[in-house]
Amino acid sequence: EAQVTQNPRYLITVTGKKLTVTCSQNMNHEYMSWYRQDPGLGLRQIYYSMNVEVTDKGDVPEGYKVSRKEKRNFPLILESPSPNQTSLYFCASSPPVRMEYNEQFFGPGTRLTVL
Amino acid sequence: AQKVTQAQTEISVVEKEDVTLDCVYETRDTTYYLFWYKQPPSGELVFLIRRNSFDEQNEISGRYSWNFQKSTSSFNFTITASQVVDSAVYFCALSYFNTNAGKSTFGDGTTLTVKP
Repeated sequence: EAQVTQNPRYLITVTGKKLTVTCSQNMNHEYMSWYRQDPGLGLRQIYYSMNVEVTDKGDVPEGYKVSRKEKRNFPLILESPSPNQTSLYFCASSPPVRMEYNEQFFGPGTRLTVL
Repeated sequence: AQKVTQAQTEISVVEKEDVTLDCVYETRDTTYYLFWYKQPPSGELVFLIRRNSFDEQNEISGRYSWNFQKSTSSFNFTITASQVVDSAVYFCALSYFNTNAGKSTFGDGTTLTVKP
């Protein structure tokens, strides 16, 4: 089954404790992205990647890091989480925009609470 | 700057009413894609439709229809004869073809409630 998986699905942590949210896709998609969803603010792109070792900042990259060492994986790293990073996070993958079928496939979301 | 505006934060209708969700976008790019996604109460994000900037044909899929007008930078979504199962948050999104390919901008979403 074609899918994007994220782990963990729920996480409660404390300020300053480094954490990683994993994201993996099995569709051989070149593009991957991380978004955060906050009430009334829609989905805001944190980082995106167009291929292995190619990443770029989205609209809200502060406080986050990413890496793309393999095509299927795109982990989101919070080196020193703060309460304002409490949010619902989505990972997404897609073929390149130039392709005919270029919609994003989203993971199930990770609910993060930073105390 | 790229921007997507969904001016309607919340809409409430009674079942079988028609409802239109508005989406207005801003971009300097001449080539781009527009999308609608649905987020039902269960939380997952589901793709509904895509349009590229060269294709202004309207589209109908069952009870859903989309009206893309480049002249007004709008990509509106109409649900005909709404049903309770249409209750969800709907997002309009803009993706870029050349400059910043890979970057996407979403609107803030419109929460649609369909009452029985």
